[in-house]
Amino acid sequence: SQTIHQWPATLVQPVGSPLSLECTVEGTSNPNLYWYRQAAGRGLQLLFYSVGIGQISSEVPQNLSASRPQDRQFILSSKKLLLSDSGFYLCAWHSGVETQYFGPGTRLLVL
Amino acid sequence: QKEVEQDPGPLSVPEGAIVSLNCTYSNSAFQYFMWYRQYSRKGPELLMYTYSSGNKEDGRFTAQVDKSSKYISLFIRDSQPSDSATYLCAMTGANNLFFGTGTRLTVIP
Repeated sequence: SQTIHQWPATLVQPVGSPLSLECTVEGTSNPNLYWYRQAAGRGLQLLFYSVGIGQISSEVPQNLSASRPQDRQFILSSKKLLLSDSGFYLCAWHSGVETQYFGPGTRLLVL
Repeated sequence: QKEVEQDPGPLSVPEGAIVSLNCTYSNSAFQYFMWYRQYSRKGPELLMYTYSSGNKEDGRFTAQVDKSSKYISLFIRDSQPSDSATYLCAMTGANNLFFGTGTRLTVIP
């Protein structure tokens, strides 16, 4: 069966510091991968999606970037965090079916 | 206008009640419709998905899609305290999912 991992689970970072969040998927190959941010009362905001290694599409302009160095690895990064980057970050995948499956999430607090 | 509209609640019901959660949408091209359940501080968990119009039942849960009205519903029968969570509707279009903002449900023992 497929599983999706995210780490870290919780992160507290100062403004201006860099960020690296990692997502890995097991039990499937060539999945579409997604990064979402969830803010209270605002639902899920799609940040990036990837249909393959090195292929990244950005949905919103921001100081975040994403990379997909391996088939089942998706990384969310920032060079300098802003206060507004605080939120709950979710990685998701789908493979051939019109649904998405989510990871456990990373809670980021920027102070 | 948002692609998907969902009443954020919160909704509180007594244990055993029938719960009705709803979403409306504007894009008639949506074909797949999903409901996710999200417990506090956890990732959303796929609960049910349906294709096009009609009903789908899974235990105490029934998903209903009315494409002519652009309206989807999730019914929970005999609600339990363990059903307390935020429920998000979602639907597909152009390889991406469009989500409602979620309805927070509390089932009171």
